[in-house]
Amino acid sequence: GAGVSQTPSNKVTEKGKYVELRCDPISGHTALYWYRQSLGQGPEFLIYFQGTGAADDSGLPNDRFFAVRPEGSVSTLKIQRTERGDSAVYLCASSPTRSADTQYFGPGTRLTVL
Amino acid sequence: QQQVKQSPQSLIVQKGGIPIINCAYENTAFDYFPWYQQFPGKGPALLIAIRPDVSEKKEGRFTISFNKSAKQFSLHIMDSQPGDSATYFCAAANTGNQFYFGTGTSLTVIP
Repeated sequence: GAGVSQTPSNKVTEKGKYVELRCDPISGHTALYWYRQSLGQGPEFLIYFQGTGAADDSGLPNDRFFAVRPEGSVSTLKIQRTERGDSAVYLCASSPTRSADTQYFGPGTRLTVL
Repeated sequence: QQQVKQSPQSLIVQKGGIPIINCAYENTAFDYFPWYQQFPGKGPALLIAIRPDVSEKKEGRFTISFNKSAKQFSLHIMDSQPGDSATYFCAAANTGNQFYFGTGTSLTVIP
């Protein structure tokens, strides 16, 4: 079956612009996670959704970052007024249950802010 | 503060060798310890995971050793192959909550 998909695979933008990154989780998975992975580092937690609601957004670095999951499936990570320091690979993962024992990761979106 | 400390940063072994990657944690509330394998341009993929009620878990050529008192756990790859060359991440979580990942170990298996 289809895994977690993320679009676009690469995004290049200019400092100050707004970007949206999309995640399509595995069908039926109720839990969805966003991570940010900088070069040479492990994934860093951003936000976790259980269904449509953000159960934990403690990892969002500041109020320029926002994520939604309006119908409990697809999620969009939104970054306003992008900064060069936002450049990273943004990973999405989904899990069939709230316990999140097994997280299935997508291939990520590589964001480059010039 | 790094919740999970991973070492070494990189590792080179000959084919058939047994690379060992180590991780340490501080938060005793963690109760789930997975290892992920990541190839370039791909997302991390779950390799094997352990809970603190056992000291060892084997799945194929991969073994996790867990030392609850020392708050350490390690990954051993038996009979390593060139196809195992990848970056490996340990992680720790309190079930139902966010994962904390280590900084990764780049493994190269030389034919």
